[in-house]
Amino acid sequence: DAGITQSPRHKVTETGTPVTLRCHQTENHRYMYWYRQDPGHGLRLIHYSYGVKDTDKGEVSDGYSVSRSKTEDFLLTLESATSSQTSVYFCAISEGAGGVGEQFFGPGTRLTVL
Amino acid sequence: KNQVEQSPQSLIILEGKNCTLQCNYTVSPFSNLRWYKQDTGRGPVSLTIMTFSENTKSNGRYTATLDADTKQSSLHITASQLSDSASYICVVSGGYGNNRLAFGKGNQVVVIP
Repeated sequence: DAGITQSPRHKVTETGTPVTLRCHQTENHRYMYWYRQDPGHGLRLIHYSYGVKDTDKGEVSDGYSVSRSKTEDFLLTLESATSSQTSVYFCAISEGAGGVGEQFFGPGTRLTVL
Repeated sequence: KNQVEQSPQSLIILEGKNCTLQCNYTVSPFSNLRWYKQDTGRGPVSLTIMTFSENTKSNGRYTATLDADTKQSSLHITASQLSDSASYICVVSGGYGNNRLAFGKGNQVVVIP
């Protein structure tokens, strides 16, 4: 998985609780991304980062925030989890901009919000 | 409307047979098209990346084609193996500096002995 780890790999939580997912890379790639994958949808971009402390929104960013204080770590936070955020979350990295550089995906985190 | 449409949604093939997956896109401008393989419970893994000037690219038993004029791509799997059972995702990039890729919903392939 190209030196990408995600933690936790599985999580069950209750509606209204905060949740933080972590993505860690050992490739020193500049760009990092958070996607969610749901049945009947393609992968959808939540947020991405183009450098330390530099982030931008994706197409489904409502209800999510991110932080990147180090090159190797990209955190995704659900401030108050809702059942609609039950999904599989993938982190990805790329050396160049996502439109050009190849993206490598992590193993995913399965999140269930009850 | 999804900018990347894949067909068939799912198919079952016998081990050793060939199959072809289709991807039609409307993304413009166009930079490159990628095919990913995603095994159940794992993240997608890149198979090929093609720019507009490339019309065919191979990776082992996988051969991708691209027709940028008609905005169509195909992924051909030769002599399928049980390990080819997976979802195959077509992804289109809209250009340099555009960090948003357009993802298809995937072709679910099941190879049976």
